[in-house]
Amino acid sequence: AQSVSQHNHHVILSEAASLELGCNYSYGGTVNLFWYVQYPGQHLQLLLKYFSGDPLVKGIKGFEAEFIKSKFSFNLRKPSVQWSDTAEYFCAVNAQTSYDKVIFGPGTSLSVIP
Amino acid sequence: DGGITQSPKYLFRKEGQNVTLSCEQNLNHDAMYWYRQDPGQGLRLIYYSQIVNDFQKGDIAEGYSVSREKKESFPLTVTSAQKNPTAFYLCASSGQGGTGELFFGEGSRLTVL
Repeated sequence: AQSVSQHNHHVILSEAASLELGCNYSYGGTVNLFWYVQYPGQHLQLLLKYFSGDPLVKGIKGFEAEFIKSKFSFNLRKPSVQWSDTAEYFCAVNAQTSYDKVIFGPGTSLSVIP
Repeated sequence: DGGITQSPKYLFRKEGQNVTLSCEQNLNHDAMYWYRQDPGQGLRLIYYSQIVNDFQKGDIAEGYSVSREKKESFPLTVTSAQKNPTAFYLCASSGQGGTGELFFGEGSRLTVL
């Protein structure tokens, strides 16, 4: 069965600090990978996605993620965070042989201090 | 505007009562999903449906039921058999081809008194 783990439950950063949120998944086959974000009071929305090709993908608001197949990882990064990045971040995976089942990690709550 | 509409946004029920959460989409998406969100546990898959009149159990289906009589609609019933029903429920949909990219509704918060 697929599963997703996220390294940190809660991260607190000052504005302009760099961010890296860890995500690992367990599945031996080919996967699609996603990061979703949930800003306070808003619905979940897609931040970025990886299907194939260049393992470094760029998303909205300056976020990027790198897929490292050998490590089963898909870490999210941002060079300089802003107060408006305060949100809950979820890593998700679905197997390309089972398109319709999307499994989420437990989430990381990011608080950015002005 | 295209999107997913969940209702009600907030719902209170007494123990022992069934309650149905509505989810409607006008994105013409084939697949629809129900997730439950609890603090520190992320989103856990309850049920999903790939086509009309067909649905599959997710990881925590016990105590829940669904139907998919129309492409646009995927209601979730939280039955009295669900032991810990107080939670935030999210409905999502995914387009044809099933890349796994999900579009979410705003959620329904259920509180059992």
